[in-house]
Amino acid sequence: AQSVSQHNHHVILSEAASLELGCNYSYGGTVNLFWYVQYPGQHLQLLLKYFSGDPLVKGIKGFEAEFIKSKFSFNLRKPSVQWSDTAEYFCAVNARNTGFQKLVFGTGTRLLVSP
Amino acid sequence: EAGVAQSPRYKIIEKRQSVAFWCNPISGHATLYWYQQILGQGPKLLIQFQNNGVVDDSQLPKDRFSAERLKGVDSTLKIQPAKLEDSAVYLCASRPRAPSSQGIRSYNEQFFGPGTRLTVL
Repeated sequence: AQSVSQHNHHVILSEAASLELGCNYSYGGTVNLFWYVQYPGQHLQLLLKYFSGDPLVKGIKGFEAEFIKSKFSFNLRKPSVQWSDTAEYFCAVNARNTGFQKLVFGTGTRLLVSP
Repeated sequence: EAGVAQSPRYKIIEKRQSVAFWCNPISGHATLYWYQQILGQGPKLLIQFQNNGVVDDSQLPKDRFSAERLKGVDSTLKIQPAKLEDSAVYLCASRPRAPSSQGIRSYNEQFFGPGTRLTVL
């Protein structure tokens, strides 16, 4: 069964600091990869996704993620965070062996950006 | 385009009581999912519907949880009787239909509703 690991459960940064959130998954076949964000009091929203092609994908609000197949990783980055980036971030994977239908989530990383 | 609708947004019940949640997916989305998100964890799939049929309910605690999607549109999730450990946010998500088998991979983005926060006392 697939699993997703997010190594940082809580991250605290000052505004303008750089961000990198780790995500590793366990499935060895073809995967689709997602980062979702949940702002306080709001529902889960898609931040970015990778299906195929260029392993560096750009999402909304200046976020990007890099798929490194050899490391089974899909780390999220942002060069300069803002107070409004305070949220919980979830990495998720679905795989060919489930017809790309079953989304497996990591435990999430709670980011707090101080002004 | 309207998003996924869920109600109620909050529910507080005592253990052993029953509760039901309702979800209306985005219009035209054939696939509907129910997830359970316990505090401090990521969402966990409970059940997946394709139209009005169940595709995957392997993680649904069937002794107390049930779900239906009778007309292939909106869905209800029921807990009877509730336990303390059922306290969580229950998320509904939907996914559009792929235009062809070749298009499946790129049509698997799921759209989430606001969730129902259940507290069992």
